[in-house]
Amino acid sequence: GQQVQQSPASLVLQEGENAELQCNFSTSLNSMQWFYQRPGGSLVSLFYNPSGTKHSGRLTSTTVIKERRSSLHISSSQTTDSGTYLCALDSGSWQLIFGSGTQLTVMP
Amino acid sequence: ETAVFQTPNYHVTQVGNEVSFNCKQTLGHDTMYWYKQDSKKLLKIMFSYNNKQLIVNETVPRRFSPQSSDKAHLNLRIKSVEPEDSAVYLCASSYHRRTGQLYFGEGSKLTVL
Repeated sequence: GQQVQQSPASLVLQEGENAELQCNFSTSLNSMQWFYQRPGGSLVSLFYNPSGTKHSGRLTSTTVIKERRSSLHISSSQTTDSGTYLCALDSGSWQLIFGSGTQLTVMP
Repeated sequence: ETAVFQTPNYHVTQVGNEVSFNCKQTLGHDTMYWYKQDSKKLLKIMFSYNNKQLIVNETVPRRFSPQSSDKAHLNLRIKSVEPEDSAVYLCASSYHRRTGQLYFGEGSKLTVL
């Protein structure tokens, strides 16, 4: 089965609402990396989070190893937050294992 | 701030042609990667290259090959493109061989007619 399951697949918000994106994993974890990808753009690293909670502006990442989950919280969403969010599990092997992505659309 | 540079960013070609994508990183990282991203945004690892050691995803067709002159450069060559090769190819680098935090380039979008 899939080693990283990301949800939801898509999410539509009104500007100002909060978003919670989730990745559940079934294999061992060194760290979870969260990326943002603008349409047609590159992947920008948001967090590299092995455990606990990290903050960056309106973004918060929380990784709970014993519950096998990592989340990305976006507060007070803006239209410029629209895009694809990807989680990627670093298990210590030679490759990251990517989730299938969350397509976020923030309406004005 | 981009520190992984890819060229070209777009390329359109015919079936059977040869294509090369270049990648350079200025981060001083030891390991570089090529990923393929399909139209559904799914990312698949193709190669990892560290200190002349190449790791290949066994599902990658043999017409794909990486080429490196030093640890700051990893190019991707496709010998004879097929329609299913249309995708975005993303180069990345990390400090450690066993992944660690990844930094991606802008991507190279290939369209095969």
